[in-house]
Amino acid sequence: EVQLVESGGGLVQPGGSLRLSCSASGFTFSTYAMHWARQAPGKGLEFVSVISTDGLTTYYAGSVKGRFTISRDNSKNTLYLHMSSLRAEDTALYYCVKEGVWFGEFSAFDYWGQGTLLTVSS
Amino acid sequence: AIQMTQSPSSLSASVGDRVTITCRASQDIRNDLGWYQQKPGKAPKLLIYAASSLQSGVPSRFSGSGSGTDFTLTISSLQPEDFATYYCLQDYNYPYTFGQGTKVEIK
Repeated sequence: EVQLVESGGGLVQPGGSLRLSCSASGFTFSTYAMHWARQAPGKGLEFVSVISTDGLTTYYAGSVKGRFTISRDNSKNTLYLHMSSLRAEDTALYYCVKEGVWFGEFSAFDYWGQGTLLTVSS
Repeated sequence: AIQMTQSPSSLSASVGDRVTITCRASQDIRNDLGWYQQKPGKAPKLLIYAASSLQSGVPSRFSGSGSGTDFTLTISSLQPEDFATYYCLQDYNYPYTFGQGTKVEIK
């Protein structure tokens, strides 16, 4: 059974930093691209960042580029999101997401964690 | 970034109704689109990938269609457990972008 368990959320002051972690199990972690997505309270979903299987290729949403860094440790089956210069608008539930691939061509977010809540407030 | 315009933002329907939700992309995204269902307090769940392929385990009353810029999610006969918010997501290029969501409520 695929499981994605996020941790590391909490209350942070504006300008502060925090690292989120996502522990993965039930699949061969090193062979799938992984994502972070977020959802502000009462709002819709937003793509945050993606990392390739080998960790060498990353992409960020414009709203977090230069402030967030995604990384992975395939030996530990763990995905990370290091966040700095945090702003009130970063307050959200952060989801760890696995990207599934079908027929070597089609992709989608096939498994989601339950999320970890980040609150940025003074 | 590709913009995804989803409509309606909300709808009221009765059990047994046929429900249609649409997403329009700001440029051609081939069939690189998925549909997701989210219930309150829960993580989103994949329903449809590649615009029209049903994810394993998802009831056949859900279907997707479209390609290019216009896409549709159809629920053929709404069931009580289908009351939720639905999102489309383009995975054609980065940044991936979601539609604004459609909340399906009980009439």
